[in-house]
Amino acid sequence: DQQVKQNSPSLSVQEGRISILNCDYTNSMFDYFLWYKKYPAEGPTFLISISSIKDKNEDGRFTVFLNKSAKHLSLHIVPSQPGDSAVYFCAATLLLGGGNKLTFGTGTQLKVEL
Amino acid sequence: DTAVSQTPKYLVTQMGNDKSIKCEQNLGHDTMYWYKQDSKKFLKIMFSYNNKELIINETVPNRFSPKSPDKAHLNLHINSLELGDSAVYFCASSPSGGQPRNTQYFGPGTRLTVL
Repeated sequence: DQQVKQNSPSLSVQEGRISILNCDYTNSMFDYFLWYKKYPAEGPTFLISISSIKDKNEDGRFTVFLNKSAKHLSLHIVPSQPGDSAVYFCAATLLLGGGNKLTFGTGTQLKVEL
Repeated sequence: DTAVSQTPKYLVTQMGNDKSIKCEQNLGHDTMYWYKQDSKKFLKIMFSYNNKELIINETVPNRFSPKSPDKAHLNLHINSLELGDSAVYFCASSPSGGQPRNTQYFGPGTRLTVL
């Protein structure tokens, strides 16, 4: 049972345009949502997060939007750059004791073309 | 200076063997994790330790045994390796508090191939 879903396995965008990556979840108990970026042969790198009590968080070119009623979040990258080409993972957390458990989506491969 | 490091980066072995993957973090974090990325690129948590104590143990075969000698290290030992264990294994760490509190920092991964 996949609680975090990224239904688009790939996305291709032209340099300078907006990239929109989507993510849906089913568990209403998730308290934080995160986006990770992953290059080949490297580990995932944290990009941006949003608390479940917020609906938007912005950091430079990256903005995450959360629609709790629809159980949907999206990552906007504007303007997109070739260096943004990577796999983007959506993740959600439930706080447990001293740590937290990340539940990942299956990722979206973003390709930013010149 | 690497924050979360794993050794080895690649591991090729025969079915039935026992192998270990080591992880170290120099971030001063209290919590460490092991994730498995399978052939479909799905990243799934296996274990989590907080201050050397096991706090998350997903439905992982008991051939997998994590060991945390101190809070900076979390090693993964796998007994009687099977073909289905072939995957990329990622170690991660996170602080117990701080903002964003749920941020986990990942190592570069260990690609395990079982022949």
